[in-house]
Amino acid sequence: QKEVEQNSGPLSVPEGAIASLNCTYSDRVSQSFFWYRQYSGKSPELIMSIYSNGDKEDGRFTAQLNKASQYVSLLIRDSQPSDSATYLCAVNSPGYGGSQGNLIFGKGTKLSVKP
Amino acid sequence: GAVVSQHPSWVICKSGTSVKIECRSLDFQATTMFWYRQFPKQSLMLMATSNEGSKATYEQGVEKDKFLINHASLTLSTLTVTSAHPEDSSFYICSARRTSGGGKTQYFGPGTRLLVL
Repeated sequence: QKEVEQNSGPLSVPEGAIASLNCTYSDRVSQSFFWYRQYSGKSPELIMSIYSNGDKEDGRFTAQLNKASQYVSLLIRDSQPSDSATYLCAVNSPGYGGSQGNLIFGKGTKLSVKP
Repeated sequence: GAVVSQHPSWVICKSGTSVKIECRSLDFQATTMFWYRQFPKQSLMLMATSNEGSKATYEQGVEKDKFLINHASLTLSTLTVTSAHPEDSSFYICSARRTSGGGKTQYFGPGTRLLVL
């Protein structure tokens, strides 16, 4: 059973702080990793994708990948109340649901940024 | 960009009727589209994978005769909920993956809220 695990939270941080969201996955051959943000009542929107070990930065967001530890994280710097949402970690698992593989989603971590 | 639209955004219907939901990739071609369902305060659940020109692949526990999927073109997939019942009330979300380029990224539509009375 291929799995993606996230702490459901809620994770509460004060405005301006760094929010750290973590995700582990079980399929060692996974190659593509994604973070989506989902506001309440809305569909997910893509924030970051990462394919190689190390860090990838985009504005206030940094994704970190460690394939040896099967671990991917998302850091949000200078957190804002508008960042309050559920963050979904998604992992592409080759062979799941077809030759190109499908995304396996974690259950999401709810982030609350307090003013 | 990679824009995915869904129509309708909201639908209320009587029990026993059928409801069709459209998912379109507006500025790219999508050989593969996905249909998800999300109940309140729960995670996304993949229902089926829709491939252009072939039959959809359904996840375990999803009735293929109840949730009919048609992917007739590279930009359009439809989900028809047949003989809908109140327990089918949910948030239905589609996503699309580019035919070329873009890796395995899935782009989500805005979702369709279905309420069956």
